[in-house]
Amino acid sequence: GENVEQHPSTLSVQEGDSAVIKCTYSDSASNYFPWYKQELGKGPQLIIDIRSNVGEKKDQRIAVTLNKTAKHFSLHITETQPEDSAVYFCAAFKAAGNKLTFGGGTRVLVKP
Amino acid sequence: DGGITQSPKYLFRKEGQNVTLSCEQNLNHDAMYWYRQDPGQGLRLIYYSQIVNDFQKGDIAEGYSVSREKKESFPLTVTSAQKNPTAFYLCASRIQKDQPQHFGDGTRLSIL
Repeated sequence: GENVEQHPSTLSVQEGDSAVIKCTYSDSASNYFPWYKQELGKGPQLIIDIRSNVGEKKDQRIAVTLNKTAKHFSLHITETQPEDSAVYFCAAFKAAGNKLTFGGGTRVLVKP
Repeated sequence: DGGITQSPKYLFRKEGQNVTLSCEQNLNHDAMYWYRQDPGQGLRLIYYSQIVNDFQKGDIAEGYSVSREKKESFPLTVTSAQKNPTAFYLCASRIQKDQPQHFGDGTRLSIL
């Protein structure tokens, strides 16, 4: 089955700096890659997603890039703010499998 | 206001007891999912259902059971066979195969 690895597991950045989280997936048939943000005691919230026919997608301070050949995708957060502190999860979806496979999560701490 | 409602927010189980976690959605989504999240870990799939009266085992189904009698409801029963039930349980739903999953705010289950 699909395997998604996510790095780093924790990330501490100074407010205003950029944060980058990287994920690799194993199944080349995966074609949809969402990113979720989870705050303490809450369910994950979708923040951005990308499909396999696109290399990059941007939404204000967040962007995601996808390299299908290398089977990795990354989340970029620019101009980080304290409210960006949370756990972020990447995931990969394969239509044939009909389910998402999640990475292990990255705890991001933005220091004021 | 559409969304996914999980109840209760906190639940306590005695040894040898079955407990049922509720998940209701008014998004008219076809597919529903149950995940387990352990502290500092990613999300692991327990069961999922793509249509009423049908469901499939996920990666860690042992000790759990589900039903899908109505489109909007997908309750999860944690049986006494689940020896380590303490975790945060998340329910999710989506409308189509490669569309985003939306999550509820979870139920935290603890053993008395």
